[in-house]
Amino acid sequence: AQTVTQSQPEMSVQEAETVTLSCTYDTSENNYYLFWYKQPPSRQMILVIRQEAYKQQNATENRFSVNFQKAAKSFSLKISDSQLGDTAMYFCAFIKETSGSRLTFGEGTQLTVNP
Amino acid sequence: ETGVTQSPTHLIKTRGQQVTLRCSSQSGHNTVSWYQQALGQGPQFIFQYYREEENGRGNFPPRFSGLQFPNYSSELNVNALELDDSALYLCASSLLGQGAWNEQFFGPGTRLTVL
Repeated sequence: AQTVTQSQPEMSVQEAETVTLSCTYDTSENNYYLFWYKQPPSRQMILVIRQEAYKQQNATENRFSVNFQKAAKSFSLKISDSQLGDTAMYFCAFIKETSGSRLTFGEGTQLTVNP
Repeated sequence: ETGVTQSPTHLIKTRGQQVTLRCSSQSGHNTVSWYQQALGQGPQFIFQYYREEENGRGNFPPRFSGLQFPNYSSELNVNALELDDSALYLCASSLLGQGAWNEQFFGPGTRLTVL
């Protein structure tokens, strides 16, 4: 079975600064995908960024980038130039390639961006 | 292109009752997954429906059941409600079969409170 662990229940950052959210996972699979999802107070889960395990290059989406360390089973999210709209719950998630659409989520990190 | 919708938004039931939650998948999608998100936790996979058949199930008892209709909308039914069933129920739709990874699009959820 896969597990995803987020060790930071809450984090805060000043607007325009950079923040890093941590995630570790455990799996015996070799082919899988990792994701960061954002859940604002509206509750709608939004995909922020994804990383394919077979790719060594870290994924980047505008102000969001990841540090994927496959051997260490670590997958952190860096948010640059933080904006007030980034305030949300962030979930790290895992899916193995053969499981269709079954996501395994971490416990989440509540990020607050302060003006 | 319409997004994923869920109804109702909120629901209050008493212990022992039965409840039906509904989800309309995004246009063109053939798969619906249901997740339970207890307060302060990450979503937990309940089950997935693909072309009207159950296609994977998480660690939930049989009193959690579902249906998927020919138009790919879906229902989640919970019998004999317990207090611990109080949670946000999320559905997510995707298009299975288009490669190894299929992005899931989440609805806004139904908040169920069991008294």
